[in-house]
Amino acid sequence: DAGVTQSPTHLIKTRGQQVTLRCSPISGHKSVSWYQQVLGQGPQFIFQYYEKEERGRGNFPDRFSARQFPNYSSELNVNALLLGDSALYLCASSLGEWAPQHFGDGTRLSIL
Amino acid sequence: QKEVEQNSGPLSVPEGAIASLNCTYSDRGSQSFFWYRQYSGKSPELIMSIYSNGDKEDGRFTAQLNKASQYVSLLIRDSQPSDSATYLCAASPNTNAGKSTFGDGTTLTVKP
Repeated sequence: DAGVTQSPTHLIKTRGQQVTLRCSPISGHKSVSWYQQVLGQGPQFIFQYYEKEERGRGNFPDRFSARQFPNYSSELNVNALLLGDSALYLCASSLGEWAPQHFGDGTRLSIL
Repeated sequence: QKEVEQNSGPLSVPEGAIASLNCTYSDRGSQSFFWYRQYSGKSPELIMSIYSNGDKEDGRFTAQLNKASQYVSLLIRDSQPSDSATYLCAASPNTNAGKSTFGDGTTLTVKP
C-alpha cells in the first residue's frame, strides 16, 4: 500500500506570496495532521482534521489554513509568506483513536 | 519551558552498547506517548508508542513511561551504527496521535 504522499517535494516562494501544500493519506486513514519542522527543532503541530472536520489547531497565525476533502486528502494554505515560514512541512495520517500516525516525506518550503 | 523536553545531546555510544534517551513532559493530561526516529533529511518514523505506565519492549527497543514523574524514556540495546539518527519524543493529549507535541530531539551517534 502507498504511504502518505505529499506534493510538491520542494517549493521556493518569495515574501508575501501564497502557497498550497497537498497531502494524500494512507488508504483508509481518516485523520490528517499537519506539522511544521524548522531545522534543528522538532515538528510543531499546525492542524488536525478528522472526517473532514477540524479537530485541533496549534499556535499558528490565521495566515495558516487547511481543509480536508471527501476523499480524506488535505491541503495546507499559507498566505502572506514570511521568511520565518521556511521549513519542512509534514503531513501525517492515522486511522484514528489509539492508532499511531505515519508521516509523509514532507514539502520543503523556502522563502526568499 | 517547552512542553516536551529531551536531553539536548548529542549522545555518542559504541556499537553494541545500550543507548538511553530521556524525555519529560509538562502536561499532566497527556495520554499517549511516542518515540520517532528521524534520519537526516528524512521524515519521522514511528518506533514505539506507549500509553500506560511501565515498560514496553519491541525487539532491541524498550520504552518506559512514568506518568507520576511525567517521564518517558527509550532504551536501545545492542546499538548499531544504523541507529545513528535523531530521536524525537512526542506526547498527545488524548488517544489520538494526531495532535502530538514534539521535543526537539536527541541526536544519537553509534560508533563502530
